[in-house]
Amino acid sequence: AQTVTQSQPEMSVQEAETVTLSCTYDTSESDYYLFWYKQPPSRQMILVIRQEAYKQQNATENRFSVNFQKAAKSFSLKISDSQLGDAAMYFCALRKYSGGGADGLTFGKGTHLIIQP
Amino acid sequence: GAVVSQHPSWVICKSGTSVKIECRSLDFQATTMFWYRQFPKQSLMLMATSNEGSKATYEQGVEKDKFLINHASLTLSTLTVTSAHPEDSSFYICSARIRDYRFFGPGTRLTVL
Repeated sequence: AQTVTQSQPEMSVQEAETVTLSCTYDTSESDYYLFWYKQPPSRQMILVIRQEAYKQQNATENRFSVNFQKAAKSFSLKISDSQLGDAAMYFCALRKYSGGGADGLTFGKGTHLIIQP
Repeated sequence: GAVVSQHPSWVICKSGTSVKIECRSLDFQATTMFWYRQFPKQSLMLMATSNEGSKATYEQGVEKDKFLINHASLTLSTLTVTSAHPEDSSFYICSARIRDYRFFGPGTRLTVL
């Protein structure tokens, strides 16, 4: 079984500041994918960033970047220059890499991010 | 980008009735679709994996006779909650797979009275 743990139920950051959301995971797989999803009040899940475990280089997408520490099984999300539109629930998720690629995601419990104007 | 729709977006039903939720991939064919359940202020829990033309694979603890899944075409999967009870009230989200990516529908809120 695989698990994803987000230890911060809620985080608050001032607009334009930087915030880091934590995520740890456990899996027996050697190949897997890690994701950060954003769920705004509309409840639509939006992919923020993804990381292939076999890649050592940390993924970045504009203001969003990750710190992937494979040995420590840690996958944190850094949001730079926070904007009001970043306010949402953020879920860390894991998917094992299988030959068929038809596996579902295991999600953490989420972190509610509040942006203070 | 790929679009996934769900219908209805919300439904209220009486206890004991059955409710069908549709998940459609609008601009791509999805050989695999996933159904998740999300209770208020909680995480998404994978319920089942739906493969076109074959029986769905259910996660441990999910009653397959309670949550019927049909994936009859490459663009449509349905989840039927049979004999719904108040404890089935939840937010149901589908996800469709295209190659190595997953796209999520907007979800369906089910309230059972």
